[in-house]
Amino acid sequence: DTEVTQTPKHLVMGMTNKKSLKCEQHMGHRAMYWYKQKAKKPPELMFVYSYEKLSINESVPSRFSPECPNSSLLNLHLHALQPEDSALYLCASSQTSGPTETQYFGPGTRLLVL
Amino acid sequence: GENVEQHPSTLSVQEGDSAVIKCTYSDSASNYFPWYKQELGKGPQLIIDIRSNVGEKKDQRIAVTLNKTAKHFSLHITETQPEDSAVYFCAASSYTPLVFGKGTRLSVIA
Repeated sequence: DTEVTQTPKHLVMGMTNKKSLKCEQHMGHRAMYWYKQKAKKPPELMFVYSYEKLSINESVPSRFSPECPNSSLLNLHLHALQPEDSALYLCASSQTSGPTETQYFGPGTRLLVL
Repeated sequence: GENVEQHPSTLSVQEGDSAVIKCTYSDSASNYFPWYKQELGKGPQLIIDIRSNVGEKKDQRIAVTLNKTAKHFSLHITETQPEDSAVYFCAASSYTPLVFGKGTRLSVIA
């Protein structure tokens, strides 16, 4: 089973709201990723967690706050977002964070910031 | 850092014909090259990948070829079907996380 699940599927929030995106995998993978994807563009890496520790932060604004409570779960906390943050947010996982490890993506959360 | 160029950006083929998408990369140290298919409203799905110790890999109607000397790799889809219509992304990595190409929108016309 190579399934990564994400909730919610859709989210609409105002610029003053606080919300969280959730991601879960049960493949025993020890690396998890957050990507942002704008329309007609490739995914852009935001964060990488390896063995529950943040290993890469691609200079993402602090209004995005990742959290990895355990090896199966990954959250992305959102606060004071801007309309330009509207995008598809993708979670992925891989066996380890090695660059040649196969990444498996979830279906994404489509976020609209009003 | 790594840079991946992908061509064409759009591709239309008749059902049953073959489709070829090409990517070039800049970092000669790159050694992992996956291809992802993304359907509308869904996340990217891995369809095939290749590592640098292999020149070609096939999986039913899908094949990927790698030319390390020229630093390019290609996706070949034979006997295309309407359900192959999607956006396809190539990617490359070496010592850094995946770098994606800009994508190819494939339309298979019945």
